[in-house]
Amino acid sequence: RKEVEQDPGPFNVPEGATVAFNCTYSNSASQSFFWYRQDCRKEPKLLMSVYSSGNEDGRFTAQLNRASQYISLLIRDSKLSDSATYLCVPEGDNQGGKLIFGQGTELSVKP
Amino acid sequence: DVKVTQSSRYLVKRTGEKVFLECVQDMDHENMFWYRQDPGLGLRLIYFSYDVKMKEKGDIPEGYSVSREKKERFSLILESASTNQTSMYLCASSSGPDTQYFGPGTRLTVL
Repeated sequence: RKEVEQDPGPFNVPEGATVAFNCTYSNSASQSFFWYRQDCRKEPKLLMSVYSSGNEDGRFTAQLNRASQYISLLIRDSKLSDSATYLCVPEGDNQGGKLIFGQGTELSVKP
Repeated sequence: DVKVTQSSRYLVKRTGEKVFLECVQDMDHENMFWYRQDPGLGLRLIYFSYDVKMKEKGDIPEGYSVSREKKERFSLILESASTNQTSMYLCASSSGPDTQYFGPGTRLTVL
């Protein structure tokens, strides 16, 4: 089983749509979880951390289900500027701050 | 504002050459990482370091070495470049098991 599994997409959605990305991870010892965003030919940047109670940042909502080892990201009212690849990132081994990056889900928001 | 810089954005080398990729961070982070990113394979960890002069192998260390003589600087060395090392190389830094901040990347082509 892969350490992190994401649907690669692409997800093609119209502006204003709501879209959800799912991710499963294999390391049950992971304590920290993140979603990163990567624009084409750019470096990954932190979108949001994922807290165990779930958290919201504007149009973005992240959820964590430890029992199922599942993380989700919901984007409401999609904008053209949301077009990017979204990387699911659980903490790796408890050694030197390792993170395990998923391959990412590509989102394309169309007018 | 965290800043991670990499010595080159684009680099073209010949097979067999020794290649140095430099990364510098200005946030006094303990942890530094080198990844390569290839289409369909996502981010793969090459080496990481959690302290000066300390280094740990990641998932794909073969053909690479690293050096961390100062806290702010982490170098990736390709002892004898090969065509299968053509890739995007990304450096990152972090403080503890927390957000990783990435440099802009170096796109290396080995001819």
